[in-house]
Order: sequence, then C-alpha cells, then structure tokens
Amino acid sequence: EIVLTQSPATLSLSPGDRATLSCRASQSVSSYLAWYQQKPGQAPRLLIYDASNRATGIPARFSGSGSGTDFTLTISSLEPEDFAVYYCQLRSYWPPYTFGQGTKLEIK
Amino acid sequence: EVQLAESGGGLVQPGGSLRLSCAASGFTFSNYEMNWVRQAPGKGLEWVSYITSSARTMYYADSVKSRFTISRDNAKNSLYLQMNSLRAEDTAVYYCARTSGRTYMDVWGKGTTVTVSS
Repeated sequence: EIVLTQSPATLSLSPGDRATLSCRASQSVSSYLAWYQQKPGQAPRLLIYDASNRATGIPARFSGSGSGTDFTLTISSLEPEDFAVYYCQLRSYWPPYTFGQGTKLEIK
Repeated sequence: EVQLAESGGGLVQPGGSLRLSCAASGFTFSNYEMNWVRQAPGKGLEWVSYITSSARTMYYADSVKSRFTISRDNAKNSLYLQMNSLRAEDTAVYYCARTSGRTYMDVWGKGTTVTVSS
C-alpha cells in the first residue's frame, strides 16, 4: 500500500510570499497525482491534476511539479484567500485513491 | 451549473444503518465514475468507495468493506451509499465526488454529516 506524506504539516507565511508544499510517496508512482485546497466548512476544490495540470479556473500562481516519489505544489505569490489546508491525492492500483494527511497554510 | 448535492446524513446509534444519496445535475452523470470520500471531525480526507459509470465495478476501503455498499441510478442521476453496522469511527462528513480520467475528483458536493453515537 502506497502512503503519501505531506510536509510540512503547517506552513506559516505572509501574503506575497512563495509557498512550497511537498508530497512524498512511499514508492515510485505514476504521475496521477492531484492537489486539492480545502477551506474551513467547505468541500475540497481541485487545483492540480496529473501532477502539473491546472484545473479549470485555477489561477496561474498555482503550479504543480514532480515525478517518481516527490511532488510539489507551489503558490508563487500568496493571496489572502490562499490560506487553507492542502491535500495531495494519488490514483494507484490499491487502494485506488490515497490522500496525504494535509498541509495547513496559515498566515504568519 | 455542474453540481452534486448529498443528503441522508444524521444521527444514528452504533450498529445502525443509514443511506446517503448524492444528486447530480448540470452534466451527463452516466458518463462519469464516482467516489465517496469522508472526513472525520478535525481530520483529513479518507477515500471510502468508488463505482464505475456503468456500475459494473465497485471498490471499497478496507475500513468499510462488507459494511458499506455503493450504487447508482443513472436514470435518476443519483449516487448512493448504504451504510450498515455503523461504528463511532464512521462519524464524518461524507462527500460525493465526480471522478475524471479515473484519476482525480473534479467536482465535489458540500457534504452530509453522519454522526454515530448512542
């Protein structure tokens, strides 16, 4: 079973800063890696799919990269609305869908 | 507008049953695979169950296997989750999610809350 580990657990930054969130898989995986944003009391929102493709309507400041075991979500310049929890998610053989434990991006 | 709307959550005693529904609108429901994902209070996201567009194939997380059953009615644009033998650890917000390319979940409902407690 593949495990996704996100780091850091909490990231404290200021608006305008660059944010780099990591998602590491326990073994080499396909690039079927997605990133979601979740704000309190809301459903998750798809940001990135297949490691590097922005979902419809997602601002260009969000980008994804990586392959093998290491994947990264980068937010180039934080806006106030970007402070939220971010999850990575992998599509694999079994279980078919796995989520990381999340990274909380908070205002410093 | 593409939308998913869950219903059927509530308070149930341990060992009880509940049936969740998810109504889809704004897209051709029968073309998409679907998932249920849950989130326990203060915790992260946990995949629960998956069903193909034709309902020929279903998968379940080990934590719910043999207790939960996923189904769909494409004529009614609806997804279901029958939950039996509920446990306290099943307490969570349950989301239905449209799945694209079999790999990612691009549309989510707002969720329905299930509380298992005596």
